[in-house]
Amino acid sequence: DVKVTQSSRYLVKRTGEKVFLECVQDMDHENMFWYRQDPGLGLRLIYFSYDVKMKEKGDIPEGYSVSREKKERFSLILESASTNQTSMYLCASSTGGRDRGYTFGSGTRLTVV
Amino acid sequence: GESVGLHLPTLSVQEGDNSIINCAYSNSASDYFIWYKQESGKGPQFIIDIRSNMDKRQGQRVTVLLNKTVKHLSLQIAATQPGDSAVYFCAENMGPGQAGTALIFGKGTTLSVSS
Repeated sequence: DVKVTQSSRYLVKRTGEKVFLECVQDMDHENMFWYRQDPGLGLRLIYFSYDVKMKEKGDIPEGYSVSREKKERFSLILESASTNQTSMYLCASSTGGRDRGYTFGSGTRLTVV
Repeated sequence: GESVGLHLPTLSVQEGDNSIINCAYSNSASDYFIWYKQESGKGPQFIIDIRSNMDKRQGQRVTVLLNKTVKHLSLQIAATQPGDSAVYFCAENMGPGQAGTALIFGKGTTLSVSS
């Protein structure tokens, strides 16, 4: 089975901290994605990557950056965490091409205090 | 079974009924659509997909219908069971080129199944 592993299930960080959310997939997928999930808003795309060192902005990239130095790992970085970044963060991966479903990780629930 | 209008956030059904969850998608150029199920505390899981050259696709107890004329997608669950209780999301790909590898998700419908 394809596995997408997010390093933490729960995180609590202080306002202004730099936060790293890590995601690793083990099936050699080309594409990786970061979404945030909020009640009433559904899943919103933050960033995605279709190759190593490649990244594309999604719908809500402000306040975030990403890093993909290796194919299996896609990191989401909150440069200076703010309370409005409290959310559930979901990582996903897929094989190349447009008609491919995702495999999701279990999510990281981040609370910024 | 109970039919709902375009995106109601919640749907409650009795065990054994058929459920229909609707979704309106936004992009006329989208050519790939997926339904996901998300149980509490878990990431979304793939249920079924359909490409734009099809109107209907069936899986095990689930059927997806696509109406490109009105940009409408529906998920039908036959003989709904308590284990089907979850949030269901539709998704479409974003557009042409590399951007199309990313999916846009609907806001989700919470299905509650009572025994």
